[in-house]
Amino acid sequence: GAVVSQHPSWVICKSGTSVKIECRSLDFQATTMFWYRQFPKQSLMLMATSNEGSKATYEQGVEKDKFLINHASLTLSTLTVTSAHPEDSSFYICSAPPSGTDTQYFGPGTRLTVL
Amino acid sequence: DQQVKQNSPSLSVQEGRISILNCDYTNSMFDYFLWYKKYPAEGPTFLISISSIKDKNEDGRFTVFLNKSAKHLSLHIVPSQPGDSAVYFCAARFSGNTPLVFGKGTRLSVIA
Repeated sequence: GAVVSQHPSWVICKSGTSVKIECRSLDFQATTMFWYRQFPKQSLMLMATSNEGSKATYEQGVEKDKFLINHASLTLSTLTVTSAHPEDSSFYICSAPPSGTDTQYFGPGTRLTVL
Repeated sequence: DQQVKQNSPSLSVQEGRISILNCDYTNSMFDYFLWYKKYPAEGPTFLISISSIKDKNEDGRFTVFLNKSAKHLSLHIVPSQPGDSAVYFCAARFSGNTPLVFGKGTRLSVIA
């Protein structure tokens, strides 16, 4: 299947700092990428849809000023958690559907811990 | 309101036997269904999918069945292997380039 990478795989930061997470489609182009979040022992919840060349669309309850998404190219979307707080600690995962397919492939995820 | 439900949080099966994981959904407009396998601290790995116009799709040891009238799908793994032990997520999406709606997952344990 198609390959999606994420960087970093884990990050620990102090409260109040910002963290950038990158999601890359390595062997295909993706006009759309999705960002999900998973809290312990819970399901994956959609945070936002990242659209290349346009603004991201956010799910209800997700603060767009706190979770900045930039989809600058057809292979890269970034999620920046601004002014992170301990409650933002979670597992962040991106996914991307190759054009012309119905399947979404996921990155390996990023574990964020905010102290 | 949960649109995709996996009512069994866990399932234990003996090696070599069949594993059947179930999933129910509420929205009849879902167009495509997918199963993912996930280990802790890793992203989901795609297993198999099925379009709403089909009732069965098979890939090696994995078969997905879809019953649209019952809004129910199931994943069959046969024969089950210890390496299949993981959390399995059922997911659904509407037509087009739309995000996935996930169930809560079922933890499968295959016992040698």
